[in-house]
Order: sequence, then C-alpha cells, then structure tokens
Amino acid sequence: AAGVIQSPRHLIKEKRETATLKCYPIPRHDTVYWYQQGPGQDPQFLISFYEKMQSDKGSIPDRFSAQQFSDYHSELNMSSLELGDSALYFCASSLVGHLHKNIQYFGAGTRLSVL
Amino acid sequence: AQKITQTQPGMFVQEKEAVTLDCTYDTSDQSYGLFWYKQPSSGEMIFLIYQGSYDEQNATEGRYSLNFQKARKSANLVISASQLGDSAMYFCAMREGVQGGKLIFGQGTELSVKP
Repeated sequence: AAGVIQSPRHLIKEKRETATLKCYPIPRHDTVYWYQQGPGQDPQFLISFYEKMQSDKGSIPDRFSAQQFSDYHSELNMSSLELGDSALYFCASSLVGHLHKNIQYFGAGTRLSVL
Repeated sequence: AQKITQTQPGMFVQEKEAVTLDCTYDTSDQSYGLFWYKQPSSGEMIFLIYQGSYDEQNATEGRYSLNFQKARKSANLVISASQLGDSAMYFCAMREGVQGGKLIFGQGTELSVKP
C-alpha cells in the first residue's frame, strides 16, 4: 500500500538560509498535517490542511509557511533558519469523516540540521 | 486543555514476555480518539492501534491490544510475546473530536527487549 512520501530525507542548511520540505500524502487522503520533533522530544503539531485549505495552526513560527497544492501534495517553507529549527519534521495524512477513524499515517520524516 | 501523560520513561522486557506501557489522558471532550505509535531508532513514526472514545470493545491489532478504561482515563498498550524488533520509543497520542484534528502526544516510553 502507498505511504506518505517526504522529501528530502535529510537536509543540512546554514543559519539564515531557507528550506523547503515536501510531502505527498496517501492517495485519496484529504488532510495533511505537519509536526516538528526536536531531539528527545515528542512531536509538536505545526499546521494542517483539509482539502487544500488551512484547517488548524499550532506553534508554527512566523518564519514558516505551508500550503497544499491542487494535487494534494504539501510544502513546508522555512526561512531565516535558526539553530533551534534543527529537528525531525513529519508530514502525516488522513481521511476525515465520521465513517473513518481518521488515523494519521506518518511519512518517514525529514531530518533538518541547521549549522 | 487536553493532555497525555506517559509516566514510564524507559521499560525493559524479556523476549517472548508481555509488557504494558501506561498512558493516561485528560480531556473535557466526550468524543476523542486515542492512538499508539512506535518510533524505532531509524526515526519513522509507525501507527500501531486506535481506540475511539465510544468504542465499547478494547482495540486489538495482532500482538498489540489497548486496555481502555474510560472512567480512569487510561489507554494502556499491551504488547504480547515481545520480540527484539519491538525495541523502540512508543508514543501515546490523543485527538479531540471525530473529525480531522491535531494529535497531542505524550512524552514517550522507550522499550528495550532483552534476548
């Protein structure tokens, strides 16, 4: 079965640079979520999209932005990178609706290192 | 505000034995979902099992079962016949409501299976 695809898997950037993370959800899934997991931490919700519209927003810095495109893939754009942005970034997708359990399936993550 | 608590930072279990990972939650919603995810050292987040707040039966998925005690607000994961490959970090998570919504994670429990 198809899973959530994230690219790149690893990314190394310098401070103040920009980064773009991509996510391809499971086919027919209508909701995409982004999470940030710092070293030794639990994942923290950043932002979500339902049918290409932003549906919820968590503790996402103003330097970050995200969108979901017409083909349902999503991108997380991160600017003015800081050392503290070094983390594992997950994308997850789900199919929402009362007949579904709305289980979020995660991609393998993008490990971002800011030097 | 919703909260997930995992009080066991680390657990050891002998291969082939059963182990219970604790999870308690706090929410004022009547409708919510509870999830367990496994995160191996490679970093990916793997969905294991789901329990809806209105589900009367405890969820089971192969060697995984969820001991759901609604009145006590606990959702413990039971892994039967532990295998070496079960060594990983395990996260309990909650979603409020039945529609698409963010997951709130606990701090995680690191499980080590001894041969």
